Amino acid sequence: NAGVTQTPKFRVLKTGQSMTLLCAQDMNHEYMYWYRQDPGMGLRLIHYSVGEGTTAKGEVPDGYNVSRLKKQNFLLGLESAAPSQTSVYFCASSYSQGAPAYEQYFGPGTRLTVT
Amino acid sequence: QQQVKQSPQSLIVQKGGISIINCAYENTAFDYFPWYQQFPGKGPALLIAIRPDVSEKKEGRFTISFNKSAKQFSLHIMDSQPGDSATYFCAASMTSGGSYIPTFGRGTSLIVHP
Repeated sequence: NAGVTQTPKFRVLKTGQSMTLLCAQDMNHEYMYWYRQDPGMGLRLIHYSVGEGTTAKGEVPDGYNVSRLKKQNFLLGLESAAPSQTSVYFCASSYSQGAPAYEQYFGPGTRLTVT
Repeated sequence: QQQVKQSPQSLIVQKGGISIINCAYENTAFDYFPWYQQFPGKGPALLIAIRPDVSEKKEGRFTISFNKSAKQFSLHIMDSQPGDSATYFCAASMTSGGSYIPTFGRGTSLIVHP
C-alpha cells in the first residue's frame, strides 16, 4: 500500500496563476482533508470531505476550492494564487471499517511557493 | 481562540535526557488525545494516543500523562535520542457526536543534541 500520496512535491507559481494539488489514498478511507502548515501556526484545516461527492469548509478555506469526485482522490485548487498561499500543504485521510475516523494518515506534503 | 495550546514552541535536550511537551485544552467534550511526530520534509505520523479514562499511557520511551481535571496532557520522551529530533503536535478530538476532526496544537520543534 502506498498510503496517501500527493502530487506534485514542489511547485512555484506566479501571483494570479492557478493550479491543482492532487491527493490519492489507497486505504479505502471515507474521510479526506487538506491542511496547510506554516511556521509557528501548526496544521490548519482548509477543507475536508466525509465521502465521495461531499466537501466542507475548514478553518482557512478562503482562496481554495476542492473536489472529491472519486473516493480515493481529493483535489485542492487555487484559482488565483497569492503570496499568502505560500505554504506546505498536507493531505490526510481517515476512517474505514475497523479504523477510527479520528486517526489520520498524512501524505508527504507539497511545498508551494507563490512569487 | 486556540482550543489546544501547546508549549514550548521549541525544545533542546541532550542525548539521554527527558523531553517534556505540554498541551492544554478547553473543550471538555474532547475524548481522544493523539500526538503526531513529524520529521523534516515528511508528513505527520501518529505516535501515541490516550483517552481520558486513563491517566498514563506508555509505549517504549514515549509516555502520555493525562490530567482530566486540569484539562492538560503531556508527552514525555525518556532517554531522548538524536533520532527523536522532530516536530511534535498534540491534538484533541471528539470520537462521537460528529466532530471527529482533530484540533491541533501549534507544534514543538525538538532538537536532541548528541
